Amino acid sequence: GENVEQHPSTLSVQEGDSAVIKCTYSDSASNYFPWYKQELGKGPQLIIDIRSNVGEKKDQRIAVTLNKTAKHFSLHITETQPEDSAVYFCAASRPNAGGTSYGKLTFGQGTILTVHP
Amino acid sequence: KAGVTQTPRYLIKTRGQQVTLSCSPISGHRSVSWYQQTPGQGLQFLFEYFSETQRNKGNFPGRFSGRQFSNSRSEMNVSTLELGDSALYLCASSPGTSGSEQYFGPGTRLTVT
Repeated sequence: GENVEQHPSTLSVQEGDSAVIKCTYSDSASNYFPWYKQELGKGPQLIIDIRSNVGEKKDQRIAVTLNKTAKHFSLHITETQPEDSAVYFCAASRPNAGGTSYGKLTFGQGTILTVHP
Repeated sequence: KAGVTQTPRYLIKTRGQQVTLSCSPISGHRSVSWYQQTPGQGLQFLFEYFSETQRNKGNFPGRFSGRQFSNSRSEMNVSTLELGDSALYLCASSPGTSGSEQYFGPGTRLTVT
């Protein structure tokens, strides 16, 4: 089955710096890659996603890049703020046997991001 | 729109008992997925339902089961609870038909003693 490795497990930055989190996946059939932010006591929040027909996607201070050949994708957060502090998860998904669903997400182990004021 | 709601938010059960957790998706969402989150294993997929049919299944024992109703609300059941079933159970709903773009609820914290 799919395996997703995420690095680093913890990341500490100063406010205003950039943060980069990297993930690698094993299943070459995976072609949907979302990123989630989880704050204490809450469920994961979808912050950005990318599909395999796109190499990069940006949304304000957040960007995701995908290298299908190398089977890795990365989250880039620029101009970090203290409110960006949370646990970030990458995930990967491939179509089910019937080709009807991407509903099974395989998650990385998470990165604890701390942004110091 | 209201987000995904899960009930109850907290639950304490004894080994050997069974439990049912409920999830109401975002209005209009027809796909519902369930995940187990633990410190040791992280987020693990349980199953996905769409139009009352299970479309995807994870690698959990048969003690874990689920269902979806015609109004897209979903329940999951765990029978013969074990200590290792203590976890945060998360439900996510998705718009469209693909099951991607999942929006999570706050979870149900299950403690088995």
